[in-house]
Amino acid sequence: EDQVTQSPEALRLQEGESSSLNCSYTVSGLRGLFWYRQDPGKGPEFLFTLYSAGEEKEKERLKATLTKKESFLHITAPKPEDSATYLCAVQPNTGNQFYFGTGTSLTVIP
Amino acid sequence: DAGITQSPRHKVTETGTPVTLRCHQTENHRYMYWYRQDPGHGLRLIHYSYGVKDTDKGEVSDGYSVSRSKTEDFLLTLESATSSQTSVYFCAISVGTEAFFGQGTRLTVV
Repeated sequence: EDQVTQSPEALRLQEGESSSLNCSYTVSGLRGLFWYRQDPGKGPEFLFTLYSAGEEKEKERLKATLTKKESFLHITAPKPEDSATYLCAVQPNTGNQFYFGTGTSLTVIP
Repeated sequence: DAGITQSPRHKVTETGTPVTLRCHQTENHRYMYWYRQDPGHGLRLIHYSYGVKDTDKGEVSDGYSVSRSKTEDFLLTLESATSSQTSVYFCAISVGTEAFFGQGTRLTVV
């Protein structure tokens, strides 16, 4: 069964305190792994796609990495505006569905 | 927002009444999805469509039906709304391997 687990559920950081969010997945065959940011009352906003183990993508203070079993979203020197819920999703290569984790709620304190 | 419009944005309805949510896209993408988002469950797929009149069920399809008579519109219908269908509903489109989301419809069934 295709499954995505994110940890921790919630994370509070001081401004400038770097950390990582985890996304563990089981899928029959991976077409892609996706990271999204979601602000309260809004739809998920696409951040990254990773396709194969060893791949990395960066955007401002965020860097996503992928292994065969998990992905990490590294946040370097976060700012309060990085506060949001970060969602991970996978798409198996057997179909066009996306399976989402329950997200990590990140709060960055000034 | 990738040209996705959901309507209505908010709705309160009574148990047992039918409800239809609309998703409209402006760019003629083939794949469209309906998700619901609930605390502790993340985003769960209700139905998806891979073309006009071509639809398939997701993991939580019971109590929901969909229709797609035009490429740009994907309708989600709750035939007889129940309190368990109180949720935030998101429409998404797939562009290549990536999914982009609308702003959501908050539905409350009382």
